[in-house]
Amino acid sequence: AQRVTQPEKLLSVFKGAPVELKCNYSYSGSPELFWYVQYSRQRLQLLLRHISRESIKGFTADLNKGETSFHLKKPFAQEEDSAMYYCALRVSGKLTFGTGTRLTIIP
Amino acid sequence: GAVVSQHPSWVICKSGTSVKIECRSLDFQATTMFWYRQFPKQSLMLMATSNEGSKATYEQGVEKDKFLINHASLTLSTLTVTSAHPEDSSFYICSAGLDSEREQYFGPGTRLTVT
Repeated sequence: AQRVTQPEKLLSVFKGAPVELKCNYSYSGSPELFWYVQYSRQRLQLLLRHISRESIKGFTADLNKGETSFHLKKPFAQEEDSAMYYCALRVSGKLTFGTGTRLTIIP
Repeated sequence: GAVVSQHPSWVICKSGTSVKIECRSLDFQATTMFWYRQFPKQSLMLMATSNEGSKATYEQGVEKDKFLINHASLTLSTLTVTSAHPEDSSFYICSAGLDSEREQYFGPGTRLTVT
């Protein structure tokens, strides 16, 4: 069965510093990976997906099949980046979520 | 963007009673809706996949007779927690998409407390 691991429950970063949220997955097939974000008192929303290879709000994520990772990165953290971030793997239309990382940006 | 609503946003019910949660896609037709459950400080766990006009597909370990799902129209899916018990207290979240392979849009969630 597929699995998504986010090793950090909490991550605090100073404003302007680089951010990296780790995500590892286990799946024997070709993975379809996503990052979702949940801001305070808001619903879960899609941040980015590996297949589009785009940068959203300054965030990027590269799929590394060799390391089975899909880490989320941003070179310069902003205060509005404080949120809960979930990595997710989709197989046959179904999403499997990691446990999430709460990112706090320190002013 | 696509909007998914849930009703109610929170509900308290007594043990043994049933409670129904609605999930609506407001500005698009959702062939597929998903129901998740989230315990405090834990991740979302998929409970079932709901396809319009057909029976829901439940994930392993989810009791289909306890969590009744109905997806009678392209804009509405309901989850009924039957004979609720305190251990059913949780945050229930739905998502909807044009189909299972398209982007899923999430509802705001429903907090259920069973006393």
